[in-house]
Amino acid sequence: SQQGEEDPQALSIQEGENATMNCSYKTSINNLQWYRQNSGRGLVHLILIRSNEREKHSGRLRVTLDTSKKSSSLLITASRAADTASYFCATDAFAGGGNKLTFGTGTQLKVEL
Amino acid sequence: GAVVSQHPSRVICKSGTSVKIECRSLDFQATTMFWYRQFPKQSLMLMATSNEGSKATYEQGVEKDKFLINHASLTLSTLTVTSAHPEDSSFYICSARDLPSGGAYNEQFFGPGTRLTVL
Repeated sequence: SQQGEEDPQALSIQEGENATMNCSYKTSINNLQWYRQNSGRGLVHLILIRSNEREKHSGRLRVTLDTSKKSSSLLITASRAADTASYFCATDAFAGGGNKLTFGTGTQLKVEL
Repeated sequence: GAVVSQHPSRVICKSGTSVKIECRSLDFQATTMFWYRQFPKQSLMLMATSNEGSKATYEQGVEKDKFLINHASLTLSTLTVTSAHPEDSSFYICSARDLPSGGAYNEQFFGPGTRLTVL
C-alpha cells in the first residue's frame, strides 16, 4: 500500500496548547496537503505545500515538509475546542497515468476545555 | 471556491438492491473525478478515477462490476453500487479536478460525502 502513515493516531490536549501531527509517505510527490474532517462530515482543505517548499503558514497552522525524509508535520497553535476533528495528510503524485491524492491514516485530535 | 455536490447525502437500502450516487461540479468543469470510500474511523481509500468520456480506472481490489462509474459529462459522475450488501455500508466521497491551468498541480475539490447503509 502507498498509504502514508500519520502519528499519533490520537491526540488529546487542553485548549490553548499546541498540537503537532506528523505524516510520512513513500513516493516522490508534487505536493502534500492537509485536510480536516469533522465526525461524519466531508473534508475541509487546510493547506498545501509544494515539493520545493519547506515551510508554510496559514493563520494558526504551520506545515513543514522534508522531502529527503519523506515526512511532513502540521502544527496547530493555540488550539481551540472547535479544532477537535480528524486530520489527514494527502500526497499528490503522478501514478497510473494521472495525478492522484493518497491519504494518510489520520490523526484524531481532541481539544478539551 | 469551487463547489462539488453529492446526492443523496444519506441512503438506506435493502441488501441486493442497487444504489446510485451522483457527484456534480457546480461551477467548474472537471476533467477528472475520483471516488473514495471511508469506513468508520479510517482514512479515505481511493476506489477509482474517472475521466469524462472514457472508462474509469479502478484501484487494485475494487470490483469494477460491483461499483459502476459513469462520467458522462464534464460536470457529472455517478457511482452505482450494484447488488449492495451490508459490507458495502460506508461513507462514499467524490472529488473533482478542474481543467489543467498549466502547472504540475490543479486543485482537487471534495464533495460532502454520501452515507450508505445497507440493511
